Amino acid sequence: EPEVTQTPSHQVTQMGQEVILRCVPISNHLYFYWYRQILGQKVEFLVSFYNNEISEKSEIFDDQFSVERPDGSNFTLKIRSTKLEDSAMYFCASARGYTFGSGTRLTVV
Amino acid sequence: AQTVTQSQPEMSVQEAETVTLSCTYDTSESDYYLFWYKQPPSRQMILVIRQEAYKQQNATENRFSVNFQKAAKSFSLKISDSQLGDAAMYFCAYRSAYNYGQNFVFGPGTRLSVLP
Repeated sequence: EPEVTQTPSHQVTQMGQEVILRCVPISNHLYFYWYRQILGQKVEFLVSFYNNEISEKSEIFDDQFSVERPDGSNFTLKIRSTKLEDSAMYFCASARGYTFGSGTRLTVV
Repeated sequence: AQTVTQSQPEMSVQEAETVTLSCTYDTSESDYYLFWYKQPPSRQMILVIRQEAYKQQNATENRFSVNFQKAAKSFSLKISDSQLGDAAMYFCAYRSAYNYGQNFVFGPGTRLSVLP
């Protein structure tokens, strides 16, 4: 089973800083997704991305967040001016989205 | 909007025994996918099993099987011959089949403990 790769596995950042989470989806997949899971809570949808545009986004995905595909392989989630409540696991998925990446644990201090 | 409910926040099972985790969902769509994911302490999301709503046959993956009741909107997971490594959070999830842009809807999860 091809893998969706996420880096870094753990990121610690100061409140107010910007972070970029990276995902390398399964090659030739066209749809990409980001999800968030706050500790002890369920997985929440953030955004889906297709053909270099946002396809759908949730109310969580406000102006603090952005996504892009800077090259042919990476898919990034940028969080500007991080807040304590942004601390969570962030998961990437691609295409049909059945397979999730291993996740990035973001800790905002 | 679709919703997914898991009524058992915690379950436990003796090693080598069988356990069933419950999941119900609500949707007005006729075609969709249902999933069970396992989340161990590492917090990785691991796909356990997938069911297409148009298929009447219940999906099976080794020791994992589902009981899919479309009319009742029920999708339970049965784990046979439970192993210590099965201990984890288990999430039931729904996804529309109509376009890839639509997202998963997850249930709140069931924490499974396996007793030696």
